[in-house]
Amino acid sequence: ETGVTQSPTHLIKTRGQQVTLRCSSQSGHNTVSWYQQALGQGPQFIFQYYREEENGRGNFPPRFSGLQFPNYSSELNVNALELDDSALYLCASSLYTRGELFFGEGSRLTVL
Amino acid sequence: QQQVKQSPQSLIVQKGGISIINCAYENTAFDYFPWYQQFPGKGPALLIAIRPDVSEKKEGRFTISFNKSAKQFSLHIMDSQPGDSATYFCAASPPEASGSRLTFGEGTQLTVNP
Repeated sequence: ETGVTQSPTHLIKTRGQQVTLRCSSQSGHNTVSWYQQALGQGPQFIFQYYREEENGRGNFPPRFSGLQFPNYSSELNVNALELDDSALYLCASSLYTRGELFFGEGSRLTVL
Repeated sequence: QQQVKQSPQSLIVQKGGISIINCAYENTAFDYFPWYQQFPGKGPALLIAIRPDVSEKKEGRFTISFNKSAKQFSLHIMDSQPGDSATYFCAASPPEASGSRLTFGEGTQLTVNP
């Protein structure tokens, strides 16, 4: 059984740039959720994808967008990067009906 | 608006002692309350979870106590070990999300001294 994998593990961008983060869900899982974890804070829910559609969104602006592909993998896109976007971005997969989240190790984004 | 408040921020316990972390929530619609453990450089991992139809759940050395009327729940780690040193997060989820859309507390950094 393959766990949740994320890429890249670390990246540095400058303010105003755009970034794409990728996630492969755990085998058999059909739902992907994205969370932002600022340093020293708990993860904050960004959005969730199920059957390739957004299925719930947290308090994040539209410049945060995502995709889910037929193989259940997912992308998180952030446009017009701001300094406050610097964080660990966590992807989690689950079976929709069960809900237990399995997290990847995250992508550490630094915005300069 | 912080919907899940966690305390303490940090906790130091001697090996063999009991670690207790508390959480309080505001949204009475929440119906799933997990605890996650996170080691440095890793993603959070589910430790134990409870639903409000029971007041306590035990798995090995880990116990969740749940008080629905007070809107509080806590994690007890018995016989704490140095390997338990990590950051612990409580969380809560509304019923429509089936446990997969979580509101997290701010975390407790636990240090277990040998």
